[in-house]
Amino acid sequence: EPEVTQTPSHQVTQMGQEVILRCVPISNHLYFYWYRQILGQKVEFLVSFYNNEISEKSEIFDDQFSVERPDGSNFTLKIRSTKLEDSAMYFCASSALVAGGQRGTQYFGPGTRLTVL
Amino acid sequence: RKEVEQDPGPFNVPEGATVAFNCTYSNSASQSFFWYRQDCRKEPKLLMSVYSSGNEDGRFTAQLNRASQYISLLIRDSKLSDSATYLCAVNIRDDKIIFGKGTRLHILP
Repeated sequence: EPEVTQTPSHQVTQMGQEVILRCVPISNHLYFYWYRQILGQKVEFLVSFYNNEISEKSEIFDDQFSVERPDGSNFTLKIRSTKLEDSAMYFCASSALVAGGQRGTQYFGPGTRLTVL
Repeated sequence: RKEVEQDPGPFNVPEGATVAFNCTYSNSASQSFFWYRQDCRKEPKLLMSVYSSGNEDGRFTAQLNRASQYISLLIRDSKLSDSATYLCAVNIRDDKIIFGKGTRLHILP
């Protein structure tokens, strides 16, 4: 069964450093998402991406964050200058275009645990 | 009012019992509804979508009440492997899913 993959599984960084989290969505999917989950809290939407553009972003997704699809397979989340409060699990998700022009079910990757020291 | 609200639990239930979770959502424009399961430190996995007519998948039954803005999940004949956190989720538009904080379920042998 196709699945979303993410690398690395765990990233440790110093405050102020840049990090890039990588995702390989399911191959025929067209819609891509990033979510985060701070330990003990709920899963929160960050951004959605379609046709090489951000289609929706949350208040969390400020100027420190950016997303990119640099080639046909990878989808990345960059945090320019990490803060302590960026420590969280970051989940990538993807969904297909289904009948009626709707977005299909979102499938989540296993996540990258980001620890900012 | 929180966008998606759930009882955090934990629900401690003996194996074989039936357990039900509820969830309320605040935005009446919500279009799609889901139950996800999340194991400790793992990603959310879709358990089932929830339809207005109610739907069943094996031991799992989901119901939606749009008038009351309320979603439920019923698990029959619970198994040890059902122990997890159950996340209620809604789509307001296609773009994003809004999750509840989850209800923790422990199935006791």
